[in-house]
Amino acid sequence: GAVVSQHPSWVICKSGTSVKIECRSLDFQATTMFWYRQFPKQSLMLMATSNEGSKATYEQGVEKDKFLINHASLTLSTLTVTSAHPEDSSFYICSAGRTLYNEQFFGPGTRLTVL
Amino acid sequence: EDKVVQSPLSLVVHEGDTVTLNCSYEVTNFRSLLWYKQEKKAPTFLFMLTSSGIEKKSGRLSSILDKKELFSILNITATQTGDSAVYLCAVFINTGTASKLTFGTGTRLQVTL
Repeated sequence: GAVVSQHPSWVICKSGTSVKIECRSLDFQATTMFWYRQFPKQSLMLMATSNEGSKATYEQGVEKDKFLINHASLTLSTLTVTSAHPEDSSFYICSAGRTLYNEQFFGPGTRLTVL
Repeated sequence: EDKVVQSPLSLVVHEGDTVTLNCSYEVTNFRSLLWYKQEKKAPTFLFMLTSSGIEKKSGRLSSILDKKELFSILNITATQTGDSAVYLCAVFINTGTASKLTFGTGTRLQVTL
């Protein structure tokens, strides 16, 4: 099956700093990558859809200036949490898709803790 | 607004029991329904269902979709403690410009000895 990696797995940072999370599809080219956020004991909430070479589409209520998404190639998308605050602490998961096949493969997730 | 609802929210059973998890949906432009298992990390894929009435099986797990009544069930027979996890149902929809998954709230299953 397709493999999606995320880096880092866990990051702890101080309030006000920016954090970049990488999502890579290792053995296939992903036309679309998705970023989700999951708070404890809650389901995954889609934050944004990222298409290679174009601007990301953000879900309602997600600040695009705070959560910067870059999808520079068919195998890499990055999410940058700018000026992170404790309420941004969450589990961030990416998935990479081959939408023609209705497939989405999830990365292992990145746990962000903002102190 | 697209909606995916799972029930029950939480379930505790004894090892060996059979469980049925439910997922109902109200979405526009349905493409497929997917089931995932989530333990401590990201969800792992279980099944993708696109056609009504065709059961998908993998070991002790099986799932079926009813597109007329807009629901799906996930069955787990002879449960084991390793089945303890959150089971997520998600619907793949077309938004016009893209396709995306909408997740249900999940069912937390705990299997005890």
